[in-house]
Amino acid sequence: DTGVSQDPRHKITKRGQNVTFRCDPISEHNRLYWYRQTLGQGPEFLTYFQNEAQLEKSRLLSDRFSAERPKGSFSTLEIQRTEQGDSAMYLCASSPDRKQNTEAFFGQGTRLTVV
Amino acid sequence: QQQVKQSPQSLIVQKGGISIINCAYENTAFDYFPWYQQFPGKGPALLIAIRPDVSEKKEGRFTISFNKSAKQFSLHIMDSQPGDSATYFCAARGGNTPLVFGKGTRLSVIA
Repeated sequence: DTGVSQDPRHKITKRGQNVTFRCDPISEHNRLYWYRQTLGQGPEFLTYFQNEAQLEKSRLLSDRFSAERPKGSFSTLEIQRTEQGDSAMYLCASSPDRKQNTEAFFGQGTRLTVV
Repeated sequence: QQQVKQSPQSLIVQKGGISIINCAYENTAFDYFPWYQQFPGKGPALLIAIRPDVSEKKEGRFTISFNKSAKQFSLHIMDSQPGDSATYFCAARGGNTPLVFGKGTRLSVIA
């Protein structure tokens, strides 16, 4: 499977715990995006990387959230001291770095439930 | 401030009918307008996309109509089938900025 891969698919955690999600983008896609989607809403942008550089962060990304893409390949999203409001689907997407045809391909997402 | 406004929230269409979903945007810097289809428990999948240099794009049963002056674009699904039942999202971006999404339309196609 050469699509965007996310792990785990589901995560249940207790409030206050830290969680980390992983995203493996499509090979050779320079850009990698993290989005958050709550029930009945569209995906909301969190942050994105071009290669290993984090280029933009949304105001939604509080200081409890951190994302890395250390070698410009896979990325991790960590949430510290989770809160119930963090419960959502966390989506990763990747796209090539071209002026045209910069389609973003999404993974299946990681569904986080904070209890 | 919502950058892309999508309507309706939900839509019920008879099998064989036409499904129409509308989106409006404000940012004139947007130059790429995709539609995504999402099934429960899955990530969004790109369905069809358009750039503002054309007013219409058709791929099979799916057509995007684009009105640059009105800053609106719509998705038409012809001959709607039960398998089309899903949530549809319009999105937009300018240059290489991240996509911004509408809130989605839940489509139900009934036999």
